[in-house]
Amino acid sequence: DAGITQSPRYKITETGRQVTLMCHQTWSHSYMFWYRQDLGHGLRLIYYSAAADITDKGEVPDGYVVSRSKTENFPLTLESATRSQTSVYFCASSRQREPTNEKLFFGSGTQLSVL
Amino acid sequence: DAKTTQPPSMDCAEGRAANLPCNHSTISGNEYVYWYRQIHSQGPQYIIHGLKNNETNEMASLIITEDRKSSTLILPHATLRDTAVYYCIVRSTSGTYKYIFGTGTRLKVLA
Repeated sequence: DAGITQSPRYKITETGRQVTLMCHQTWSHSYMFWYRQDLGHGLRLIYYSAAADITDKGEVPDGYVVSRSKTENFPLTLESATRSQTSVYFCASSRQREPTNEKLFFGSGTQLSVL
Repeated sequence: DAKTTQPPSMDCAEGRAANLPCNHSTISGNEYVYWYRQIHSQGPQYIIHGLKNNETNEMASLIITEDRKSSTLILPHATLRDTAVYYCIVRSTSGTYKYIFGTGTRLKVLA
């Protein structure tokens, strides 16, 4: 049971470079989410997706692009990385939109440093 | 989804019950209360959720007031491994599927 995996675990890049963070889940969950976490800000939602080819903006989408061509993958791309995007990024998935039993499962995170 | 308010930090002695409050005074009838926790730098972990009845599972108990404007997460016998940030979230049965976390309560369990 692989669950939800993120790669890479750590990434160092330079300002202006394009970076893609990968997220893969083996449960065929419909819903997937990307969050970033910075000191003092808790978890902030970047983008989310209800199904393949359906994505929508969260709280802080500027500077990020997502795609979801397959249900199991939800990559997050920083088109031109900035220092303010230095953060820990978490991917999450949820089986269905059913608040009676809607649990998010999180990956281990990617620690991104933009120099 | 309704907004929640939690104290930024709390301490609890090891072996004692940890009671973490959450205020959600604007909650509506179809909104559930969810709790997650985040230990150190790991991804958050689901703990428990409820609508209006008190709930208990192997991790914790959730007490929701009768007017549903506030709730308390109870860890009955806190251990050092319960030191974490605890998030209270209110979720609707309809509308957006955005899943918004706040800043949570940082619980420190003291030896």
